[in-house]
Amino acid sequence: DAGVIQSPRHEVTEMGQEVTLRCKPISGHDYLFWYRQTMMRGLELLIYFNNNVPIDDSGMPEDRFSAKMPNASFSTLKIQPSEPRDSAVYFCASSPLGIDTQYFGPGTRLTVL
Amino acid sequence: KQEVTQIPAALSVPEGENLVLNCSFTDSAIYNLQWFRQDPGKGLTSLLLIQSSQREQTSGRLNASLDKSSGRSTLYIAASQPGDSATYLCAVRPGDDKIIFGKGTRLHILP
Repeated sequence: DAGVIQSPRHEVTEMGQEVTLRCKPISGHDYLFWYRQTMMRGLELLIYFNNNVPIDDSGMPEDRFSAKMPNASFSTLKIQPSEPRDSAVYFCASSPLGIDTQYFGPGTRLTVL
Repeated sequence: KQEVTQIPAALSVPEGENLVLNCSFTDSAIYNLQWFRQDPGKGLTSLLLIQSSQREQTSGRLNASLDKSSGRSTLYIAASQPGDSATYLCAVRPGDDKIIFGKGTRLHILP
C-alpha cells in the first residue's frame, strides 16, 4: 500500500486566496483525521471523519476552514479566504480502528503570504 | 484543560548513550498515552502506546513508562544510534475521541 497520500506537498499562496488540500487515505481505513502543526501551537486535531461522516469538528479554528469527505478514498480541507496565520504543515491521517492507530501522511506545507 | 509538556525542546547526545525523554500532562484522567516519532518532512509514526492501566511498554531498544498519578511519562532509548535522530512527540487521549500532543523533543544523536 502506498500509505496516506497528500497533495500538494507544498503550497504557497497569497492572502485572501482559496486553498484546497487533498488527502487519499489508506484503502479500508474507516477513519480520517486532519491536523495542523505550527511551532507555536504544536500539532492540533482539526476534524475527523468516520465512514465519511464528520464526527468532531471542534478543532476547526474558524468558519474559514471547511472539510469534506465525499467518498471513502478522498477528503479535502479548504481554507477560504486564507490568511498568513494559516501558514502551517497540515497532516492527514487514516485509521482502521480509531484515534489510537493512526497512519500519517507526509503533510502539506502551506505558506500564505 | 489538558496540557502536555515536553522538556527539553532539543537534546544532543553522543552515539551509544542511553537517554530519557520526558513528557508531563496536567490532568491524570487519561485513557492512554502514546509516543510518536517524526522525521523531517514526514508524518508521525507511532512508537508505543500505553493504556492507563499499564505502567510501561517496550519495543526493541525503546521503553515507555507511565505514572498517571503524577502526570508523567518517559521514553527510554537504549544504546542510541544516529538513526534515532528525530523529533519525539508524546500525546494523551483524555478519554473521548480526542488526542492532545506535546510540542516534542528534537533529538540529535552525535556520531
